[in-house]
Amino acid sequence: AQSVAQPEDQVNVAEGNPLTVKCTYSVSGNPYLFWYVQYPNRGLQFLLKYITGDNLVKGSYGFEAEFNKSQTSFHLKKPSALVSDSALYFCAVREAYGGATNKLIFGTGTLLAVQP
Amino acid sequence: DTAVSQTPKYLVTQMGNDKSIKCEQNLGHDTMYWYKQDSKKFLKIMFSYNNKELIINETVPNRFSPKSPDKAHLNLHINSLELGDSAVYFCASSPVGTLNNEQFFGPGTRLTVL
Repeated sequence: AQSVAQPEDQVNVAEGNPLTVKCTYSVSGNPYLFWYVQYPNRGLQFLLKYITGDNLVKGSYGFEAEFNKSQTSFHLKKPSALVSDSALYFCAVREAYGGATNKLIFGTGTLLAVQP
Repeated sequence: DTAVSQTPKYLVTQMGNDKSIKCEQNLGHDTMYWYKQDSKKFLKIMFSYNNKELIINETVPNRFSPKSPDKAHLNLHINSLELGDSAVYFCASSPVGTLNNEQFFGPGTRLTVL
């Protein structure tokens, strides 16, 4: 069964510093990996995804994530954090095969707090 | 132009009542979903419809019944509401065909059962 873990409930970082939000996954075959962001009282917004190809994927708002197959990780990164990046971040995974019944599984979320 | 819209945004009701949440998407997507986000922000899929056909039905009480009148709409009807149904319910949609498409989420409906 597929699963995804976000080991940190909260990440605190000062504005201007680099940030990392961790994600590890477990699937039987190849994964499709996603990051979403949720601002307060809003729905989830897609940030970026890894499907195949380059391990480093770039997404919205200056975020990027690195796929590491040996460590089964897909950590979200940004070189310089902004206060406006403060939000709840979700990692999600689904297996790269199977039919429409293949579900997208979300992690438990990591709250990113960027201090001015 | 709202891509995925939900109504109402807030819903406060008494235990035992029946209520519905509506969802509409104007993205031309074929697949729509309902998710439940609990008080700890944990997000779990409830249902998925593809072209008006139910394709994912998680372990959800049968008090919850999704209905898709057309592929742009997926409504959620809940009978005999219970305290534990209090949560934020998100509708989402995605294009059909491949599993690597991202999902587009609505703004959520915060349901409070008293």
